[in-house]
Amino acid sequence: NAGVTQTPKFRILKIGQSMTLQCTQDMNHNYMYWYRQDPGMGLKLIYYSVGAGITDKGEVPNGYNVSRSTTEDFPLRLELAAPSQTSVYFCASSRPRRRRSVPDTQYFGPGTRLTVL
Amino acid sequence: TQLLEQSPQFLSIQEGENLTVYCNSSSVFSSLQWYRQEPGEGPVLLVTVVTGGEVKKLKRLTFQFGDARKDSSLHITAAQPGDTGLYLCAGVRPLNYGGSQGNLIFGKGTKLSVKP
Repeated sequence: NAGVTQTPKFRILKIGQSMTLQCTQDMNHNYMYWYRQDPGMGLKLIYYSVGAGITDKGEVPNGYNVSRSTTEDFPLRLELAAPSQTSVYFCASSRPRRRRSVPDTQYFGPGTRLTVL
Repeated sequence: TQLLEQSPQFLSIQEGENLTVYCNSSSVFSSLQWYRQEPGEGPVLLVTVVTGGEVKKLKRLTFQFGDARKDSSLHITAAQPGDTGLYLCAGVRPLNYGGSQGNLIFGKGTKLSVKP
């Protein structure tokens, strides 16, 4: 299994440009997540999905959009890139939580480093 | 306001030394997780602690969940250069905190460097 794969690994955007960050997992996980990690900060949840066709906002959704048409893929769209979106973006996946209070293991991709100039 | 505070923020030690890093909160968590992240990679889960007072060991790493389930610690014995990385604690967002219920929230991490 490849696990969680993300493309591209690096990208530089100009202000106002748009792009899609790709995320694919081959573990048949229902749950998928997008996080951003800024220097010196922990991970902040952008969007998540509990299954194909179902998405919901996380802590910092502004400026982003997602879709989930298949179990495997969970792309993240930036419509009008801004310098504040310079960050490292991580996609993760997990099985559904068996107990509400105990999270299942989240498997992370290698990240996409995005710079907006 | 950071719900999970990690300390120290940075730690640089020599190979063979022992160390402890902390994850503290004023809120009660039903469980806490510890992740390690190496440069250029995504975080990898080390352990999940669920019961107050619980202690789990993973080779030279010892994890403890506070009795009141508001804090956790990670102790590394005889640190090795391979332990170098960013250690993140994470917990399921408490129900009374608001926001995206049931999702993980992360601390800022402790950046550990172990020199040979």
